[in-house]
Amino acid sequence: EDQVTQSPEALRLQEGESSSLNCSYTVSGLRGLFWYRQDPGKGPEFLFTLYSAGEEKEKERLKATLTKKESFLHITAPKPEDSATYLCAVQAGSNSGYALNFGKGTSLLVTP
Amino acid sequence: EAEVAQSPRYKITEKSQAVAFWCDPISGHATLYWYRQILGQGPELLVQFQDESVVDDSQLPKDRFSAERLKGVDSTLKIQPAELGDSAMYLCASKRGDTEAFFGQGTRLTVV
Repeated sequence: EDQVTQSPEALRLQEGESSSLNCSYTVSGLRGLFWYRQDPGKGPEFLFTLYSAGEEKEKERLKATLTKKESFLHITAPKPEDSATYLCAVQAGSNSGYALNFGKGTSLLVTP
Repeated sequence: EAEVAQSPRYKITEKSQAVAFWCDPISGHATLYWYRQILGQGPELLVQFQDESVVDDSQLPKDRFSAERLKGVDSTLKIQPAELGDSAMYLCASKRGDTEAFFGQGTRLTVV
């Protein structure tokens, strides 16, 4: 059974204090790993797609990396507006289509 | 910019009543998902469509939940009768192929 585990569950950072969020996964036939940002009361907002080990993507203060067992979302010099829940999802291929399974998320709070 | 449209945004219903949610995916997206998200948890898949066909409804409580996508475009999720434990955010997402999924803003359901 596909599993996605995110850690930590919650993270509190001072503004400018860099850190990383982890997403470990076990899946048969990975067809992509996705990072989303979710603000309270809203739907998830797409951030990155990673397809193969060694791949990296960057956007502003965020950088996502992928290995064969886990992905990291690195946050460099975060600002209070980066406060949100960050969700990781894995997509597995099968004859019945591409299932998209989510972790429970990491709730990030950045204080001034 | 194309978006996934969901309505209503908020719904309050009494226990044992029927409730329905509507989703209009991004044009051209063959895959459509319905997810349920309980506060503080990651989204959990209820049903996945490929065009008008259901490809995964293994986690859909079929005694009370139903979903349809008759013409392979918009979709409706229904709950009858609603129970207190159904209170959650209901999210719709769509995608093309094995690319990223885009989410709507969700419907916040409260059952009283």
